[in-house]
Amino acid sequence: QIQLVQSGPELKKPGESVKISCKASGYTFTDYAMHWVKQAPGKGLKWMGWINTYTGKPTYADDFKGRFVFSLEASASTANLQISNLKNEDTATYFCASDYPRGRVYYFDYWGQGVMVTVSS
Amino acid sequence: DIQMTQSPASLSASLGETVTIECLASEDIYSNLAWYQQKPGKSPQLLIYYANSLNDGVPSRFSGSGSGTQYSLKINSLQSEDVSIYFCQQNYDSPFTFGSGTKLEIK
Repeated sequence: QIQLVQSGPELKKPGESVKISCKASGYTFTDYAMHWVKQAPGKGLKWMGWINTYTGKPTYADDFKGRFVFSLEASASTANLQISNLKNEDTATYFCASDYPRGRVYYFDYWGQGVMVTVSS
Repeated sequence: DIQMTQSPASLSASLGETVTIECLASEDIYSNLAWYQQKPGKSPQLLIYYANSLNDGVPSRFSGSGSGTQYSLKINSLQSEDVSIYFCQQNYDSPFTFGSGTKLEIK
């Protein structure tokens, strides 16, 4: 059974950092990329980028270059998203999504449950 | 970046009706178009990929069509469980952009 289980909700102040995790199970983690998608409250979906789970190489969409870092704990089949210097506009639900089982097609069968990050002073 | 213009923004229809949601790409995406259903508080679920291929387990009342820049999702015989927000996504070129969503309600 394929599962992507994300960490719990976060409440942070502007300027702080947050690290959220996405643990995959049911398939070989390093065979399939992990993508990240942002959804602001009441808004649509925005693709943030992806990480090659074999090489660890991240690729960021332009709007997510600088304060956003994708990383891995491959031995734990876990992908992480870290956001530094948080801003109010980072308030959103962040989803991880795997390209299992098709690979390299950039649409997503499997998603995590999402992590709500709230940035408020 | 490829812009995805989705319409309508909201839709209200009666049980048993047929509804259609449209997605217009700013350039040819060669059928690299997926549709998702998202229920409140849940993650998106893949319905259709490659414009017209039904994902495993998705009811056959859902269908996709289109080519070039114009695509549509049709839902036949609307059921109460179809109340959701529907998004299109192009997977032709990075960044892989989504439409703004269509909120479907039952009249």
